[in-house]
Amino acid sequence: QVQLQESGPRLVKPSETLSLTCTVSGGSISTYYWSWIRQPPGKGLEYIGSIYNNGATSYNPSLKSRVTISVDTSKNQFSLKLTSVTAADTAVYYCARRMLFDRWGQGTLVTVSS
Amino acid sequence: DIVLTQSPDSLAVPLGERATINCKSSQMVLDSSNNREYLTWYQQKPGQPPKLLIYWASTRESGVPDRFSGSGSGTDFTLTISSLQAEDVAVYYCQQYYGTPFTFGQGTKLEIK
Repeated sequence: QVQLQESGPRLVKPSETLSLTCTVSGGSISTYYWSWIRQPPGKGLEYIGSIYNNGATSYNPSLKSRVTISVDTSKNQFSLKLTSVTAADTAVYYCARRMLFDRWGQGTLVTVSS
Repeated sequence: DIVLTQSPDSLAVPLGERATINCKSSQMVLDSSNNREYLTWYQQKPGQPPKLLIYWASTRESGVPDRFSGSGSGTDFTLTISSLQAEDVAVYYCQQYYGTPFTFGQGTKLEIK
């Protein structure tokens, strides 16, 4: 059974970079592709972007200038970097598998505050 | 971007009764090369990640009770819970994976009446 687990700082200062890692266990990250989704407190879901098994990436245009998603196959992990964060980036960040998101991490709340 | 609009925003249904949630897409999500509708439904309970219920608009994910069903085509899709159980109280989202950026509906909150 594939499992995903997000990790990274829970508190980020405004204008700094949010960095999260998703560790995949129970299956190879080299199969399928992998995505990041976020959910501001009390609000709906927003797609951030994906990385495909050939290394290609796709980002939400609303975030594209600030987002980088990368993969480390040796560690079975993929990562998210979001630069120049503001309070509007405060959210639960989820990693998920495939484009129909059949497996999700538990999510991690990242708060942007000084 | 493909915009998904769910209706209603919230819904209260008696236990054992049918619940119906609609999702309207701003454009078709059908891939004519494989005749598949690229639409999913998720259930999210408080403090939990979303759970995949339905994909390809009507295929039930393994382990999902058969009281959940998806239907629709073109730009109009429906999630139906045939006999509402207490554990079905949640927020439900539709999502399209036909085109990037993948997008979600705004969510429908389902409660017991």
